[in-house]
Amino acid sequence: NAGVTQTPKFRVLKTGQSMTLLCAQDMNHEYMYWYRQDPGMGLRLIHYSVGEGTTAKGEVPDGYNVSRLKKQNFLLGLESAAPSQTSVYFCASSLTGGYYRELFFGEGSRLTVL
Amino acid sequence: GENVEQHPSTLSVQEGDSAVIKCTYSDSASNYFPWYKQELGKRPQLIIDIRSNVGEKKDQRIAVTLNKTAKHFSLHITETQPEDSAVYFCAAPTGANNLFFGTGTRLTVIP
Repeated sequence: NAGVTQTPKFRVLKTGQSMTLLCAQDMNHEYMYWYRQDPGMGLRLIHYSVGEGTTAKGEVPDGYNVSRLKKQNFLLGLESAAPSQTSVYFCASSLTGGYYRELFFGEGSRLTVL
Repeated sequence: GENVEQHPSTLSVQEGDSAVIKCTYSDSASNYFPWYKQELGKRPQLIIDIRSNVGEKKDQRIAVTLNKTAKHFSLHITETQPEDSAVYFCAAPTGANNLFFGTGTRLTVIP
């Protein structure tokens, strides 16, 4: 089991460019999440999905789009990157939703927007 | 919605000493409090969690205590070792599908 894998691990963009982060999980989890991690701000939820074909907004969704066409994949898109989106992005998955769930994180993707 | 405050932001202890990290939450309806550990350059991983129907939970050298009246919960690490050096995040539920994470505590264990 690879668990949760993210690609790419590092990326540098210029302001206005677009890109997609891919998250894949092989644990047959229903729920998937995208977080961003910034210094001194913990982990903040961008978007999440409660199953194939579904997506929902989290705490900081502006400037991002997501898609969950297959159960095992969750894509995070930036249509027009801004320097404020420089961050480390973590994908996570969980078997179930609700409160009592363990999140399994990917290794993170470091994005720099110049 | 939920708000979680975590203190201290950094903590240094001598190897073998204990470390305590405290979090306060705002939503009295919150009933689940996990702790995640993130080693340098690695992914966050769940190390222990507690539900609101218990006041304390232990797992070897780590324990979590919960005070629902005061709305705070704490992580206790005893007999600290260098491999305990990491950033620790507390969290509490907000809404049905989100966890609100604290801002993290960087623990350094000095050999």
